Amino acid sequence: QVQLQESGPGLVKPSQTLSLTCTVSSGSISSGSFYWSWIRQPAGKGLEWIGHISTSGSTTYNPSLKSRLTISADTSKNQFSLRLSSVTAADTAVYYCARVVVPAAIINRGAFDIWGQGTMVPVSS
Amino acid sequence: QSALTQPASVSGSPGQSITISCTGTSSDVGGYGYVSWYQQHPGKAPKLMIYDVTNRPSGVSNRFSGSKSGNTASLTISGLQTEDEADYYCTAYRSSSFYVFGTGTKVTVL
Repeated sequence: QVQLQESGPGLVKPSQTLSLTCTVSSGSISSGSFYWSWIRQPAGKGLEWIGHISTSGSTTYNPSLKSRLTISADTSKNQFSLRLSSVTAADTAVYYCARVVVPAAIINRGAFDIWGQGTMVPVSS
Repeated sequence: QSALTQPASVSGSPGQSITISCTGTSSDVGGYGYVSWYQQHPGKAPKLMIYDVTNRPSGVSNRFSGSKSGNTASLTISGLQTEDEADYYCTAYRSSSFYVFGTGTKVTVL
């Protein structure tokens, strides 16, 4: 059973860079018809897709975050990571990593089938 | 980036059926067509309930069903149970190459 676990600092200061890592167990991030995604949710609000990385390492980002965002992968550790620069209070949220299953490699069929438990990241001085 | 539109809340009594709508555009729901639905209990991660508009993952109750017409997708919960009380989100792929979520619907079991 594939499992995902987010890790990272509990607090980030405004203007700094938010960094999170998702460790994947019982499954490889470099094989299969999957993408590996980040999603966030401010307290009391809805879900927002941040971006994803494919098994071959190509990335796609939410246009609203693209200028500040980097998603990368370390296949030796079976981890993928998020870096969001120049953060403000508006970036305060629970951040989830998730696996995107992509039937027949058709990206628009993607569904987020496995999620991490989420990690709360406050942005505050 | 605008979210897909869902009703803020839907309620029903135990045993009843309810339907949650998810309205998008021809650039997402109506265009690419593949909608998925998620259930989220308070303090928990979302759980995939429906993918490819109508398909249920293994282990999801057959009380949950999905459909789509034009730019609007729907999730129906039949035989409503107390454990169905949660937030529900739809999502679809948008033509500008990213996923968009719905605004979310709070389901209350009366």
